[in-house]
Amino acid sequence: GENVEQHPSTLSVQEGDSAVIKCTYSDSASNYFPWYKQELGKGPQLIIDIRSNVGEKKDQRIAVTLNKTAKHFSLHITETQPEDSAVYFCAASGSNSGYALNFGKGTSLLVTP
Amino acid sequence: KAGVTQTPRYLIKTRGQQVTLSCSPISGHRSVSWYQQTPGQGLQFLFEYFSETQRNKGNFPGRFSGRQFSNSRSEMNVSTLELGDSALYLCASSWVVSSQETQYFGPGTRLLVL
Repeated sequence: GENVEQHPSTLSVQEGDSAVIKCTYSDSASNYFPWYKQELGKGPQLIIDIRSNVGEKKDQRIAVTLNKTAKHFSLHITETQPEDSAVYFCAASGSNSGYALNFGKGTSLLVTP
Repeated sequence: KAGVTQTPRYLIKTRGQQVTLSCSPISGHRSVSWYQQTPGQGLQFLFEYFSETQRNKGNFPGRFSGRQFSNSRSEMNVSTLELGDSALYLCASSWVVSSQETQYFGPGTRLLVL
């Protein structure tokens, strides 16, 4: 089955700096890659997603890049703010998994003022 | 539009008991998926229902089951609870899953098994 690896597991940045989280996946049939943000006591909230026919997608301070050849995708957050502090999860899905989301282990991001 | 709702939010049970969790999807969404979240294993897929039919199932024992009603609301049941079943159980809904529509998560039900 699909295996998604996520790095780093923890990330601490100063307010205003950029944060980058990287994920790799194993199933070449995966073609949908969402990113979720989870705050304490809440469910995961979708922040951005990308499909395999696109190499990059941007939404204000958040961007995701996808390299299908290398089977990796990354989340970029620019001009970080304290409210960006949360756990971020990448996921991959495709027909081989019945479109179930296969999640990475998460990255705990701390943005210090 | 209201989001995904899950009830109850918190639950304490003892080993051997059974539990039923409920999920109401976003209005109009027909697909409901369930995930288990634990510190050790992370987020793991349990099963997915569409039009009252289970279409996909993860690698969990038969003690974990679910169903979906005609109004798309879904329930999951865990029988003969074990300590290791303590987790946050998350429900996610989408229009359909096969076309990779976005899955929207509820707040989860936190289950503690003593």
